[in-house]
Amino acid sequence: KQEVTQIPAALSVPEGENLVLNCSFTDSAIYNLQWFRQDPGKGLTSLLLIQSSQREQTSGRLNASLDKSSGRSTLYIAASQPGDSATYLCAVWHRDDKIIFGKGTRLHILP
Amino acid sequence: AAGVIQSPRHLIKEKRETATLKCYPIPRHDTVYWYQQGPGQDPQFLISFYEKMQSDKGSIPDRFSAQQFSDYHSELNMSSLELGDSALYFCASMPMWGRLSGNTIYFGEGSWLTVV
Repeated sequence: KQEVTQIPAALSVPEGENLVLNCSFTDSAIYNLQWFRQDPGKGLTSLLLIQSSQREQTSGRLNASLDKSSGRSTLYIAASQPGDSATYLCAVWHRDDKIIFGKGTRLHILP
Repeated sequence: AAGVIQSPRHLIKEKRETATLKCYPIPRHDTVYWYQQGPGQDPQFLISFYEKMQSDKGSIPDRFSAQQFSDYHSELNMSSLELGDSALYFCASMPMWGRLSGNTIYFGEGSWLTVV
């Protein structure tokens, strides 16, 4: 059974710092891994999708990496801003057609 | 660009009542997923449809049912509502070939259901 774990559960960092969010999964039989952002009371916004054959994807200040063999992904946020404060969810697109979410990392950027 | 549309956005129901949530996928997306996200919880998979047929089932209670119609929109019907059904219900869509080509799955804004 695919399990997705995100560490840390919560993180507070001063504005301007670079930070890394971690996601691990137990079964490497995946199509894709996707990072989402969720603001309080809002829906999911897709940030980056990494196909199983890819190692990383970049969008602006965000960089996501994938090491399928070790079951790990990281989301790197450069030069953090207060507007980056949100919950970040990692979702694994399993080959049995299920998308399994981690419990998320609540990020708070201190002004 | 068109996105996944969910309605209603907010719904308040009393215990034991019935509620229906609707999802309109992005045009030409033939696969729809439903997720439930309780307060402070991660989204949990409920059910999915491909080409109007149920393709997979997750932790959906027997009190809930869903279907996908000929225009690919989907409805989630919830009966005998309980307080614990209060949650944000997401719908997501993608084309069937998307998972193989790396297409992103798109989520709607969600429907907030509050059971009182």
